[in-house]
Amino acid sequence: GENVEQHPSTLSVQEGDSAVIKCTYSDSASNYFPWYKQELGKGPQLIIDIRSNVGEKKDQRIAVTLNKTAKHFSLHITETQPEDSAVYFCAARQNAGGTSYGKLTFGQGTILTVHP
Amino acid sequence: GAVVSQHPSRVICKSGTSVKIECRSLDFQATTMFWYRQFPKQSLMLMATSNEGSKATYEQGVEKDKFLINHASLTLSTLTVTSAHPEDSSFYICSATGAGYEQYFGPGTRLTVT
Repeated sequence: GENVEQHPSTLSVQEGDSAVIKCTYSDSASNYFPWYKQELGKGPQLIIDIRSNVGEKKDQRIAVTLNKTAKHFSLHITETQPEDSAVYFCAARQNAGGTSYGKLTFGQGTILTVHP
Repeated sequence: GAVVSQHPSRVICKSGTSVKIECRSLDFQATTMFWYRQFPKQSLMLMATSNEGSKATYEQGVEKDKFLINHASLTLSTLTVTSAHPEDSSFYICSATGAGYEQYFGPGTRLTVT
């Protein structure tokens, strides 16, 4: 099955700096890679995703890059703000076939702390 | 993004009792729903996958007779923890996918078994 490794486990930055979180996956059949932000006591919130036919996607201060050959993808947050502090999870998934989607395999999570 | 709700947000029950958690997709039809549990400072662990009108598919090691899942409609799935014990205390989160690629999560339910 799929295995997703996420690094670093903790990341501390100053407000205004950039933050980068990296993930690698093992199954070359995976073709969908979402990123989730989870605040304490809440469910994960989808913040950005990328499909395998795209190399990069950007949404305001957040961007995701995908390298299919190397089987890794990264989350980039620019101009970080204290409210970006949370746990971030990457995930990978392949289609199960037809209109059914396979299950997400999650990374271990990264605790991001943005200091004012 | 799409909205998934869960009820209750917190529940405390006594050991040996059962508790039901509801998961609803509020603005889309959820063809597939997923149930996860999450222990403190850990990642999400998939418990089971359910499609509307079908039996749930449980992950290895998850007791299907203990964690009963019903996906009765395209907007509602329920998880019943039967004969709960303190080790079942955890954060339970549901998620759902509709017609698109995205998978949206509910706010979670904190279960405490005393």
